Amino acid sequence: QVTLRESGPALVKPTQALTLTCTFSGFSLSTSGMGVSWIRQPPGKALEWLALIDRDDDKYYSASLKTRLTISKDTSKNQVVLTMTNMDPVDTATYYCARTNTVTVYHFDYWGQGTLVTVSS
Amino acid sequence: SYVLTQPPSVSVSPGQTASITCSGDKLGDKYACWYQQKPGQSPVLVIYQDTKRPSRIPERFSGSNSGNTATLTISGTQAMDEADYYCQAWDSSTGVFGGGTKLTVL
Repeated sequence: QVTLRESGPALVKPTQALTLTCTFSGFSLSTSGMGVSWIRQPPGKALEWLALIDRDDDKYYSASLKTRLTISKDTSKNQVVLTMTNMDPVDTATYYCARTNTVTVYHFDYWGQGTLVTVSS
Repeated sequence: SYVLTQPPSVSVSPGQTASITCSGDKLGDKYACWYQQKPGQSPVLVIYQDTKRPSRIPERFSGSNSGNTATLTISGTQAMDEADYYCQAWDSSTGVFGGGTKLTVL
Protein backbone atom coordinates (compact mmCIF):
# COMPACT_ATOMS: atom_id res chain seq x y z
CA GLN A 1 0.00 0.00 0.00
CA VAL A 2 1.48 3.30 -1.14
CA THR A 3 1.08 6.25 1.19
CA LEU A 4 2.63 9.71 1.31
CA ARG A 5 2.39 12.29 4.06
CA GLU A 6 3.50 15.91 3.99
CA SER A 7 4.76 17.66 7.10
CA GLY A 8 6.01 21.12 7.88
CA PRO A 9 4.98 24.44 9.38
CA ALA A 10 1.44 25.65 8.91
CA LEU A 11 2.49 29.28 9.15
CA VAL A 12 5.56 31.06 7.87
CA LYS A 13 6.42 34.74 7.81
CA PRO A 14 7.18 36.65 4.63
CA THR A 15 10.81 36.40 3.53
CA GLN A 16 11.33 33.24 5.57
CA ALA A 17 12.20 29.89 4.02
CA LEU A 18 9.76 26.98 4.01
CA THR A 19 10.92 23.41 4.48
CA LEU A 20 8.48 20.58 3.81
CA THR A 21 9.07 16.88 4.25
CA CYS A 22 7.33 14.10 2.37
CA THR A 23 7.47 10.76 4.18
CA PHE A 24 6.32 7.83 2.14
CA SER A 25 5.86 4.09 2.36
CA GLY A 26 4.98 1.25 0.02
CA PHE A 27 7.69 2.05 -2.48
CA SER A 28 11.36 2.97 -2.57
CA LEU A 29 13.17 5.75 -4.35
CA SER A 30 15.94 3.26 -5.02
CA THR A 31 13.59 1.43 -7.40
CA SER A 32 13.84 2.17 -11.09
CA GLY A 33 10.95 4.24 -12.38
CA MET A 34 10.16 5.96 -9.11
CA GLY A 35 10.24 9.65 -8.31
CA VAL A 36 8.53 12.14 -6.00
CA SER A 37 7.12 15.50 -7.04
CA TRP A 38 5.86 18.49 -5.12
CA ILE A 39 2.72 20.23 -6.33
CA ARG A 40 0.85 23.12 -4.74
CA GLN A 41 -2.64 24.59 -4.93
CA PRO A 42 -3.55 28.07 -3.68
CA PRO A 43 -7.01 28.23 -2.10
CA GLY A 44 -9.66 27.98 -4.81
CA LYS A 45 -7.08 27.88 -7.58
CA ALA A 46 -5.43 25.39 -9.89
CA LEU A 47 -2.67 22.89 -9.28
CA GLU A 48 0.91 24.00 -9.91
CA TRP A 49 3.82 21.58 -10.30
CA LEU A 50 6.93 22.62 -8.40
CA ALA A 51 9.68 20.02 -8.52
CA LEU A 52 10.59 16.38 -9.12
CA ILE A 53 13.39 14.18 -7.87
CA ASP A 54 13.97 10.71 -9.24
CA ARG A 55 15.80 7.54 -8.34
CA ASP A 56 19.00 8.75 -10.00
CA ASP A 57 18.89 11.97 -7.95
CA ASP A 58 18.06 13.95 -11.07
CA LYS A 59 16.16 17.10 -10.12
CA TYR A 60 13.70 19.12 -12.15
CA TYR A 61 12.15 22.45 -11.19
CA SER A 62 9.40 24.78 -12.26
CA ALA A 63 11.03 27.39 -14.47
CA SER A 64 9.25 30.25 -12.72
CA LEU A 65 10.31 29.11 -9.23
CA LYS A 66 13.62 27.45 -9.96
CA THR A 67 15.72 30.04 -8.15
CA ARG A 68 13.75 29.55 -4.92
CA LEU A 69 13.39 25.77 -4.82
CA THR A 70 15.61 22.93 -3.67
CA ILE A 71 14.51 19.31 -3.64
CA SER A 72 16.45 16.49 -2.01
CA LYS A 73 15.93 12.92 -0.89
CA ASP A 74 16.97 10.58 1.87
CA THR A 75 16.38 7.15 0.43
CA SER A 76 17.15 5.34 3.69
CA LYS A 77 14.44 7.32 5.48
CA ASN A 78 11.95 7.26 2.60
CA GLN A 79 11.77 11.03 2.66
CA VAL A 80 11.87 13.86 0.15
CA VAL A 81 12.43 17.44 1.31
CA LEU A 82 11.44 20.63 -0.48
CA THR A 83 12.83 24.00 0.50
CA MET A 84 11.37 27.22 -0.85
CA THR A 85 13.11 30.47 0.01
CA ASN A 86 11.84 34.02 0.34
CA MET A 87 8.22 33.09 1.02
CA ASP A 88 5.50 35.59 0.10
CA PRO A 89 1.77 35.69 0.88
CA VAL A 90 1.08 34.56 -2.70
CA ASP A 91 2.79 31.28 -1.81
CA THR A 92 -0.07 30.47 0.56
CA ALA A 93 -1.30 27.11 -0.67
CA THR A 94 -1.85 23.46 0.06
CA TYR A 95 1.37 21.66 -0.77
CA TYR A 96 1.15 18.08 -1.97
CA CYS A 97 3.79 15.47 -2.55
CA ALA A 98 3.01 12.80 -5.11
CA ARG A 99 4.69 9.63 -6.26
CA THR A 100 5.81 10.15 -9.80
CA ASN A 101 5.85 7.06 -11.94
CA THR A 102 8.71 7.54 -14.39
CA VAL A 103 8.68 4.06 -15.96
CA THR A 104 7.34 5.23 -19.30
CA VAL A 105 5.30 8.39 -19.28
CA TYR A 106 5.63 10.41 -16.11
CA HIS A 107 2.45 10.65 -14.05
CA PHE A 108 1.44 11.25 -10.45
CA ASP A 109 -0.16 7.99 -9.39
CA TYR A 110 -0.36 8.49 -5.61
CA TRP A 111 -0.80 11.73 -3.68
CA GLY A 112 -0.45 12.76 -0.08
CA GLN A 113 -3.29 14.48 1.75
CA GLY A 114 -1.58 17.85 1.44
CA THR A 115 -0.50 20.40 4.01
CA LEU A 116 -1.80 23.95 4.09
CA VAL A 117 0.91 26.58 4.41
CA THR A 118 -0.10 30.15 5.17
CA VAL A 119 2.35 32.98 4.62
CA SER A 120 1.55 35.90 6.88
CA SER A 121 3.25 38.22 9.30
CA SER B 1 6.36 28.59 -20.98
CA TYR B 2 3.94 25.92 -22.07
CA VAL B 3 0.25 26.58 -21.43
CA LEU B 4 -2.67 24.16 -21.17
CA THR B 5 -6.14 25.66 -21.51
CA GLN B 6 -9.34 24.11 -20.15
CA PRO B 7 -12.91 25.42 -20.08
CA PRO B 8 -13.74 26.65 -16.58
CA SER B 9 -16.92 24.64 -16.38
CA VAL B 10 -18.85 21.85 -18.05
CA SER B 11 -22.35 20.68 -17.21
CA VAL B 12 -23.88 17.31 -17.94
CA SER B 13 -27.08 15.46 -17.08
CA PRO B 14 -26.84 12.18 -15.19
CA GLY B 15 -26.36 9.26 -17.54
CA GLN B 16 -25.12 11.44 -20.38
CA THR B 17 -21.60 11.79 -21.77
CA ALA B 18 -19.33 14.55 -20.52
CA SER B 19 -16.36 15.78 -22.53
CA ILE B 20 -13.67 18.00 -21.05
CA THR B 21 -11.06 19.45 -23.38
CA CYS B 22 -7.49 20.54 -22.80
CA SER B 23 -5.67 22.59 -25.43
CA GLY B 24 -1.97 23.21 -25.89
CA ASP B 25 0.45 23.79 -28.71
CA LYS B 26 1.09 20.41 -30.37
CA LEU B 27 -0.27 18.68 -27.29
CA GLY B 28 -0.80 15.57 -29.40
CA ASP B 29 2.98 15.21 -29.61
CA LYS B 30 3.13 14.90 -25.85
CA TYR B 31 1.31 12.62 -23.42
CA ALA B 32 -1.62 13.93 -21.38
CA CYS B 33 -2.84 12.90 -17.96
CA TRP B 34 -6.06 13.75 -16.18
CA TYR B 35 -6.71 14.17 -12.47
CA GLN B 36 -10.01 14.33 -10.59
CA GLN B 37 -10.28 16.41 -7.45
CA LYS B 38 -13.34 16.49 -5.22
CA PRO B 39 -13.82 19.25 -2.63
CA GLY B 40 -11.45 18.93 0.29
CA GLN B 41 -9.68 15.93 -1.22
CA SER B 42 -6.36 15.28 -2.93
CA PRO B 43 -6.30 14.81 -6.69
CA VAL B 44 -6.71 11.31 -8.09
CA LEU B 45 -5.19 10.09 -11.34
CA VAL B 46 -7.93 8.99 -13.75
CA ILE B 47 -6.10 8.85 -17.11
CA TYR B 48 -2.40 8.68 -18.00
CA GLN B 49 -0.46 8.33 -21.21
CA ASP B 50 -3.44 9.81 -23.08
CA THR B 51 -5.70 6.79 -22.84
CA LYS B 52 -4.62 4.49 -20.02
CA ARG B 53 -6.81 4.07 -16.98
CA PRO B 54 -5.52 3.00 -13.54
CA SER B 55 -7.13 -0.24 -12.43
CA ARG B 56 -9.16 1.42 -9.70
CA ILE B 57 -10.79 3.91 -12.11
CA PRO B 58 -14.18 2.98 -13.64
CA GLU B 59 -14.34 2.09 -17.32
CA ARG B 60 -16.63 5.04 -18.01
CA PHE B 61 -13.55 7.28 -17.93
CA SER B 62 -11.60 7.45 -21.20
CA GLY B 63 -9.14 9.78 -22.86
CA SER B 64 -7.83 10.82 -26.25
CA ASN B 65 -5.18 13.19 -27.53
CA SER B 66 -4.58 14.46 -31.04
CA GLY B 67 -3.42 17.66 -32.67
CA ASN B 68 -3.65 20.42 -30.12
CA THR B 69 -6.37 18.92 -27.94
CA ALA B 70 -6.65 16.21 -25.33
CA THR B 71 -10.12 15.14 -24.23
CA LEU B 72 -11.40 13.40 -21.13
CA THR B 73 -14.69 11.62 -21.75
CA ILE B 74 -16.98 10.33 -19.04
CA SER B 75 -19.68 8.02 -20.36
CA GLY B 76 -22.84 7.50 -18.34
CA THR B 77 -21.86 10.29 -15.97
CA GLN B 78 -22.85 9.77 -12.36
CA ALA B 79 -23.44 12.24 -9.59
CA MET B 80 -20.24 11.02 -7.92
CA ASP B 81 -18.26 12.26 -10.93
CA GLU B 82 -18.98 15.87 -10.03
CA ALA B 83 -15.54 17.32 -9.36
CA ASP B 84 -12.74 19.48 -10.69
CA TYR B 85 -10.69 17.90 -13.45
CA TYR B 86 -7.14 18.89 -14.37
CA CYS B 87 -5.17 17.95 -17.43
CA GLN B 88 -1.39 17.73 -17.18
CA ALA B 89 1.53 17.24 -19.51
CA TRP B 90 5.31 17.51 -19.51
CA ASP B 91 7.23 20.04 -21.54
CA SER B 92 11.03 20.22 -21.44
CA SER B 93 11.13 18.13 -18.26
CA THR B 94 8.69 20.53 -16.58
CA GLY B 95 5.26 19.55 -15.36
CA VAL B 96 2.36 21.71 -16.52
CA PHE B 97 -1.25 21.66 -15.33
CA GLY B 98 -4.27 23.12 -17.00
CA GLY B 99 -6.42 25.62 -15.14
CA GLY B 100 -9.01 23.01 -14.23
CA THR B 101 -12.61 22.36 -15.24
CA LYS B 102 -15.48 22.13 -12.81
CA LEU B 103 -17.82 19.35 -13.89
CA THR B 104 -21.38 19.80 -12.70
CA VAL B 105 -23.81 16.91 -12.92
CA LEU B 106 -27.34 18.24 -12.91
